[in-house]
Amino acid sequence: ILNVEQSPQSLHVQEGDSTNFTCSFPSSNFYALHWYRWETAKSPEALFVMTLNGDEKKKGRISATLNTKEGYSYLYIKGSQPEDSATYLCAFRSARQLTFGSGTQLTVLP
Amino acid sequence: EPEVTQTPSHQVTQMGQEVILRCVPISNHLYFYWYRQILGQKVEFLVSFYNNEISEKSEIFDDQFSVERPDGSNFTLKIRSTKLEDSAMYFCASGPLAYEQYFGPGTRLTVT
Repeated sequence: ILNVEQSPQSLHVQEGDSTNFTCSFPSSNFYALHWYRWETAKSPEALFVMTLNGDEKKKGRISATLNTKEGYSYLYIKGSQPEDSATYLCAFRSARQLTFGSGTQLTVLP
Repeated sequence: EPEVTQTPSHQVTQMGQEVILRCVPISNHLYFYWYRQILGQKVEFLVSFYNNEISEKSEIFDDQFSVERPDGSNFTLKIRSTKLEDSAMYFCASGPLAYEQYFGPGTRLTVT
């Protein structure tokens, strides 16, 4: 069983604050690391797919970095807005499977 | 904007019954997936499908499960003889590329 851990489990920030979360995963058999954004009562939305060590991806105010050698990825949100409130899931892809973390539940308070 | 759709939104079935969950992927997508999330637990990968065959499947995807793309538009997940522990939210996803996925809204399966 592959261990994919996300921290923190939940997070409350004020509007305008910047924040970041961590996804840790096995450092062997790495194929890709996925980040998803999942709002309550909606489907998960793919944010990033990261495949190379040192990858940095950006989408608006959200960015992510990847370190495959030490097995972690950070997701950053700059200037959080209430509409950023969601659960952020990472998933580790190895050769044969995709293993999800438990997610970080972000609440942005106005 | 095209979306992945799933029907029904909620399916209630009795233990031991067969159930078919339906998905209509986005039309030009080539890769198809099923995931599930048991209440309170992590999202779990079930199976991926490409070029009319299963490309990957997890340990969960045993002989009780099967997938089909019967008519070039639908993508179905069949559970032959449902168990109580099959109760979960089942998500279909499709993508134009292997690593790019667009999720459907899910079907909540309740096995009684």
